Amino acid sequence: NFMLTQPHSVSESPGKTVTISCTGSSGSIAGNYVHWSQQRPGSAPLTVIYDNDDRPSGVPDRFSGSIDRSSNSASLTISGLRAEDEADYYCQSSENGNWVFGGGTKLTVL
Amino acid sequence: EVQLVQSGAEVKKPGESLKISCQGSGYTFAAYYIAWVRQMPGKGLEWMGMIYPADSELKYSPSFQGQVTLSVDKSVNTAYLQWSSLRASDTAVYYCARVASGSYWPMNWGQGTLVTVSS
Repeated sequence: NFMLTQPHSVSESPGKTVTISCTGSSGSIAGNYVHWSQQRPGSAPLTVIYDNDDRPSGVPDRFSGSIDRSSNSASLTISGLRAEDEADYYCQSSENGNWVFGGGTKLTVL
Repeated sequence: EVQLVQSGAEVKKPGESLKISCQGSGYTFAAYYIAWVRQMPGKGLEWMGMIYPADSELKYSPSFQGQVTLSVDKSVNTAYLQWSSLRASDTAVYYCARVASGSYWPMNWGQGTLVTVSS
């Protein structure tokens, strides 16, 4: 079964840049699109990156996504960190239309 | 404006049945999959399955196949998630999401429905 692995937590100071990784268990992560969702405490998820590196309307350009084929991983980068970015972030992909989520990464803005 | 509005919180006893809903508006409901996602207390997101309203095509996660039933009523732009016999371990928040065709990304999310199963 295809699995996605994320770090449990990351932390960084306001104004800085943080990167969250998402590593595929097998095959090529680049073979399927990766999407990222943000979930603030007590709220529903919100998709912030889709199709590896696209942003839905309304998501600030401080959020960016990328794929590294050499390491079979995807990354979410948030620049100019703000207190409001503190949340859980989930990567997600699909295999034959079946969703797979990473375990989630808790971002703490110090 | 696209909206997915889910039904309200439920408190049930083990063994009871339940059907929760997700009503879409602001877009062509039949043209997009609706996915369901479980989030147990303090845990991550788990994909349960998805349904295509136009023809009721179903995709279930192996983890949830046989445990829940997905359905839709196109006449009222509503998708449903139901259980025939709830367990305490079904206690969770359940989210629906509108899914883009092709890459299957979650375009919009519902606000979530908290289901509590307790004797």
